[in-house]
Amino acid sequence: GQQLNQSPQSMFIQEGEDVSMNCTSSSIFNTWLWYKQDPGEGPVLLIALYKAGELTSNGRLTAQFGITRKDSFLNISASIPSDVGIYFCAGHMNNAGNMLTFGGGTRLMVKP
Amino acid sequence: EPEVTQTPSHQVTQMGQEVILRCVPISNHLYFYWYRQILGQKVEFLVSFYNNEISEKSEIFDDQFSVERPDGSNFTLKIRSTKLEDSAMYFCASSPGAGGYTFGSGTRLTVV
Repeated sequence: GQQLNQSPQSMFIQEGEDVSMNCTSSSIFNTWLWYKQDPGEGPVLLIALYKAGELTSNGRLTAQFGITRKDSFLNISASIPSDVGIYFCAGHMNNAGNMLTFGGGTRLMVKP
Repeated sequence: EPEVTQTPSHQVTQMGQEVILRCVPISNHLYFYWYRQILGQKVEFLVSFYNNEISEKSEIFDDQFSVERPDGSNFTLKIRSTKLEDSAMYFCASSPGAGGYTFGSGTRLTVV
């Protein structure tokens, strides 16, 4: 199956710092999605990217769809304690079933 | 905001027993999905369902698994004879088309 390599696996940062995480793949994706998952909850969509080169912001979050369509990054600026959680990238290939392929996740910890 | 609702939130079952996990997708969505997440691991695709039939399934979705849309609102995942390794969070999701996924909060299945 398709693989998404997400890095870093975990980050421990000070409140107020900026954060960056990324996903890469050997395959081309037509949509990139970034989700946040809190403990015991389902993934919640943060940002969706639909075109190569697209740069989209959602508050303090910014994500970009790589030009090659094989990568994407997510930046969080001025982190706050409630940013703690696991962030997943996910890619969609416009195949018959609309399945998403998820990255391995980045666990973010923020020290107040 | 419309939600995907899953019940129960936690299910404990004995190995070999059948379980049915229930989901109510968002009412005007056309695609329905089941994903699972083994503790500490990434979210994995199981199956997608469109137009009253399975449109795609992964290798995980073997003969022990089945899905059904018994009426106009519910979408169920049945595991016929549970194994210890079926213990995981199971997430239902729905989408109106490509992308636009909304996930439920999940059912934690524990097989003992």
